[in-house]
Amino acid sequence: IAGITQAPTSQILAAGRRMTLRCTQDMRHNAMYWYRQDLGLGLRLIHYSNTAGTTGKGEVPDGYSVSRANTDDFPLTLASAVPSQTSVYFCASSAYRSGSLDTQYFGPGTRLTVL
Amino acid sequence: AQTVTQSQPEMSVQEAETVTLSCTYDTSESDYYLFWYKQPPSRQMILVIRQEAYKQQNATENRFSVNFQKAAKSFSLKISDSQLGDAAMYFCAYRSYLTGGNNRKLIWGLGTSLAVNP
Repeated sequence: IAGITQAPTSQILAAGRRMTLRCTQDMRHNAMYWYRQDLGLGLRLIHYSNTAGTTGKGEVPDGYSVSRANTDDFPLTLASAVPSQTSVYFCASSAYRSGSLDTQYFGPGTRLTVL
Repeated sequence: AQTVTQSQPEMSVQEAETVTLSCTYDTSESDYYLFWYKQPPSRQMILVIRQEAYKQQNATENRFSVNFQKAAKSFSLKISDSQLGDAAMYFCAYRSYLTGGNNRKLIWGLGTSLAVNP
């Protein structure tokens, strides 16, 4: 089934540990995004990538890094997790074309708890 | 900066009836895109409907339709013939027409939790 997969589904992590959230899409979308969802704050963009080989910072990039080595994969890394990074993380992708309405489609999310 | 406001944290509707969820936004841009997403308890974020600001005709997708009032910066979602499966959190989102940098990020409201009563 075409779409976006994320792993793990949920994770409890000790503060200070390194963690990589995985995201893979099979729709051949060129753009990918990472959002975090927090109660009372909604969804906020962490990092994005408009095409393989490029990445950019979103609204809340501190403490996170991403890479985009190929079209399908867009992992999000927390180098040293802190409790404020407890959140639900969503990966999304879109078929970006300049000047067009590119709808973002979302993965199922990863619930991360940092203790 | 653009903002999106959903003034109804919770709403309920009887099965088979119609409900309207409100969304207002603030922007200085003339071209942009608006979306409604649904998030059921499964947590999956699902696109419901989308609207391009330059189109005057309101978007419709089966039982879902929008009332887009550009001058009032209002983008409400109407759900007709409500079904139990419509119970979810509904989010309104805005996206700039601009494509540079992180302009293509979605700006989200805080959501409206919709309950459907049998």
